[in-house]
Amino acid sequence: DAGVTQSPTHLIKTRGQQVTLRCSPKSGHDTVSWYQQALGQGPQFIFQYYEEEERQRGNFPDRFSGHQFPNYSSELNVNALLLGDSALYLCASSPRQGGGYGYTFGSGTRLTVV
Amino acid sequence: AQSVTQPDIHITVSEGASLELRCNYSYGATPYLFWYVQSPGQGLQLLLKYFSGDTLVQGIKGFEAEFKRSQSSFNLRKPSVHWSDAAEYFCAVGARAGGTSYGKLTFGQGTILTVHP
Repeated sequence: DAGVTQSPTHLIKTRGQQVTLRCSPKSGHDTVSWYQQALGQGPQFIFQYYEEEERQRGNFPDRFSGHQFPNYSSELNVNALLLGDSALYLCASSPRQGGGYGYTFGSGTRLTVV
Repeated sequence: AQSVTQPDIHITVSEGASLELRCNYSYGATPYLFWYVQSPGQGLQLLLKYFSGDTLVQGIKGFEAEFKRSQSSFNLRKPSVHWSDAAEYFCAVGARAGGTSYGKLTFGQGTILTVHP
């Protein structure tokens, strides 16, 4: 049973560019959340999607946007990249119904902005 | 607002010694509490979680944690550390939100564990 799959694993972008990160949730999970983890910090919540809509959002600017597809996979888009956007981006999935599972995290996408 | 404090940024122990990593949380109701471990450059692996019931929770790799409501703490323990336990450990608090099973997780800053042979 595959866990959470993220692509690409590493990415280098130039300041001002746009980037799209992808996530496939664990089988049976329909809720996807995105987190940003800067070097030496704990992960910070960006937003959460289920039923193809953004349900919760953390303290991130509108440059950060997302999408969830009917198969529950998700994309994170970041526009007008800043040097400070360099981080490990983690995707986490969970089942909407039925407690006791918690989140399953992917291995992340390492984004470097130069 | 929910928050998590991990007072120890870096802990060093000898292999075979006992371990306790501290975690204090702030949340208005009964929280969902988690401990995750992260190896360098990797994602997060769930060690254990507390939702309700028995306040002493057993996890993978021989770890356990105790929820103490009066102290707002959820400390992680292991009786005998192995060299492979060297990693960064994160405590997190979560809550139900808007019909989803889980709302956002709020993480602490993490504790880096170094294990000496």
